[in-house]
Amino acid sequence: AIQMTQSPSSLSASVGDRVTITCRASQGVRNDLGWYQQKPGKAPQLLVYAASSLQSGVPSRFSGSGSGTDFTLTISSLQPEDFATYYCLQEYNYPYTFGQGTKLEIK
Amino acid sequence: QVQLQESGPGLVKPSQTLSLTCTVSGGSVSSGDYHWSWIRQAPGKGLEWIGNIFNSGSTYYNPSLKSRVTISIDTSKNQFSLKLTSVTAADTALYYCIRDSQKAAALDPWGQGALVTVSS
Repeated sequence: AIQMTQSPSSLSASVGDRVTITCRASQGVRNDLGWYQQKPGKAPQLLVYAASSLQSGVPSRFSGSGSGTDFTLTISSLQPEDFATYYCLQEYNYPYTFGQGTKLEIK
Repeated sequence: QVQLQESGPGLVKPSQTLSLTCTVSGGSVSSGDYHWSWIRQAPGKGLEWIGNIFNSGSTYYNPSLKSRVTISIDTSKNQFSLKLTSVTAADTALYYCIRDSQKAAALDPWGQGALVTVSS
């Protein structure tokens, strides 16, 4: 199975900060990668699909980039509602695998 | 607007079978543009992909669960289902059903999740 390694596992930041979360695949996954946001008590929600395409309705401060093995999710200016846990997921081959998650907390 | 809703028992005894159904509204499980997935999340833990099913009935499962998992689809009821046999406490989790795009890595939308507790 492809291993997805996210970093950092946790992050403290302030409103207005620029934040970058990375995800590294143990082998190439082309651009078959999505980013998900999960708030406490809620189901995850799709933010970015195909590595860099913003899901409809997601604020433009979110962006994704990368291809192959290295991917990033960037939040250009943190808003209070962005404090959550973020996951990457590769769908290049089976079994699909998630990163371990990045918990973004308020500083 | 497509919506997914999980249903099934919230408590299952050890060694028994966990059964969940996902009802799809606002869209069709027969659509060739999507396939249908199950993902779970143990309390306080990360996300684990369980498996998926295509409208043809083809399935793919996580090898870690493969011997115990069956996903099926009922196009007449616009539903797909999950069965997990021989459950233990380690199978206690929130179980989500999700639509997955055939064209891109995009799991959306998600059901609200069904908490299943394995306990005697």
